[in-house]
Amino acid sequence: KQEVTQIPAALSVPEGENLVLNCSFTDSAIYNLQWFRQDPGKGLTSLLLIQSSQREQTSGRLNASLDKSSGRSTLYIAASQPGDSATYLCAVYNFNKFYFGSGTKLNVKP
Amino acid sequence: DAGVIQSPRHEVTEMGQEVTLRCKPISGHNSLFWYRQTMMRGLELLIYFNNNVPIDDSGMPEDRFSAKMPNASFSTLKIQPSEPRDSAVYFCASSFGGAENQPQHFGDGTRLSIL
Repeated sequence: KQEVTQIPAALSVPEGENLVLNCSFTDSAIYNLQWFRQDPGKGLTSLLLIQSSQREQTSGRLNASLDKSSGRSTLYIAASQPGDSATYLCAVYNFNKFYFGSGTKLNVKP
Repeated sequence: DAGVIQSPRHEVTEMGQEVTLRCKPISGHNSLFWYRQTMMRGLELLIYFNNNVPIDDSGMPEDRFSAKMPNASFSTLKIQPSEPRDSAVYFCASSFGGAENQPQHFGDGTRLSIL
């Protein structure tokens, strides 16, 4: 069964810092990988979706990379802001199933 | 543009009662997903519909759980009878096209408490 792990579980950084969130998965047979953001009491917001044939996707200050062979993805956030504070989850999709990591709770201090 | 709409936002009921959660996907989206989120188990996919047809329901925990999608604009998740261990936040999400290449849009969830 696919297992998705996110490290670290929590991260606190000062505003303006660049940071990297990590996601690893055990089965490389995936169709895609998504990064989501979840704010307290809210649903998930999709940030970036990387197809299995792609190596990276970018949106604004966010850049996500995918190394399928090693079972790893990273989410890079440039010039972090207090508004980036949230829980970030990654999810892989294969064979009609989604598998989510437990998330990294990010706190960006002003 | 309206997002995914879930109702109710909060539900508190006693063990043994029937619970019905409702979801209206984004207009034009043809894939719909029901999830459950708990501290212990994280986010779990319960069932995935495409064009109103259940594609995969292997995540539905027990026969007490059932989901329907009678048309493209409405879905329900029913628990009968409910148990305290069903307490969780239930999310509905929709996407345009299949899950292979389209991002999902989530509702704000229903927080369910079974006493």
